[in-house]
Amino acid sequence: DSGVTQTPKHLITATGQRVTLRCSPRSGDLSVYWYQQSLDQGLQFLIQYYNGEERAKGNILERFSAQQFPDLHSELNLSSLELGDSALYFCASSLRGSYTFGSGTRLTVV
Amino acid sequence: GENVEQHPSTLSVQEGDSAVIKCTYSDSASNYFPWYKQELGKGPQLIIDIRSNVGEKKDQRIAVTLNKTAKHFSLHITETQPEDSAVYFCAASIGFGTGNQFYFGTGTSLTVIP
Repeated sequence: DSGVTQTPKHLITATGQRVTLRCSPRSGDLSVYWYQQSLDQGLQFLIQYYNGEERAKGNILERFSAQQFPDLHSELNLSSLELGDSALYFCASSLRGSYTFGSGTRLTVV
Repeated sequence: GENVEQHPSTLSVQEGDSAVIKCTYSDSASNYFPWYKQELGKGPQLIIDIRSNVGEKKDQRIAVTLNKTAKHFSLHITETQPEDSAVYFCAASIGFGTGNQFYFGTGTSLTVIP
């Protein structure tokens, strides 16, 4: 157990729908990062939050949004889902130095 | 911004042989270089890291070398075992502080053939 908790582990939904992925960082970690990993692809950086504020943005689609709450957990919202959004979504947290990744949410859009 | 390139994308070795994965980075300000191992269906896990003030770091069968002048760093796995089969990612970061951003390579899929 890495200490970073992601829920749900699996999600199957239809095109056009909206889903929310949740991430609880390690205790004390202030930064949360979201990554998308499509089949046989690398880690695509989506967005970073630090202590509730957006810190950096990567290749995140306008249909996607995220936030970090006062208790530091974060949610990634994906809307108007398309087949191509099927992927593993990872969050990572850090306080000082290296990232710790969660085990991911596997999203399947049918 | 920083750009990290990683080679090869796939690598097959016989059990017991060595494996080497290489990465280059573009921003000379980068000073922290971690390596992650991702097993099937799991999240990436940190296996070793190096800071720019050292040239080499070793942990049992794995080692990382850094050449700041050439802006490249490498992961070396010796005496490979089937459980080393996984996808490996390198990364570069400016700083080692709170909220620093990592730039990842595209990954290397390592297969160790028994």
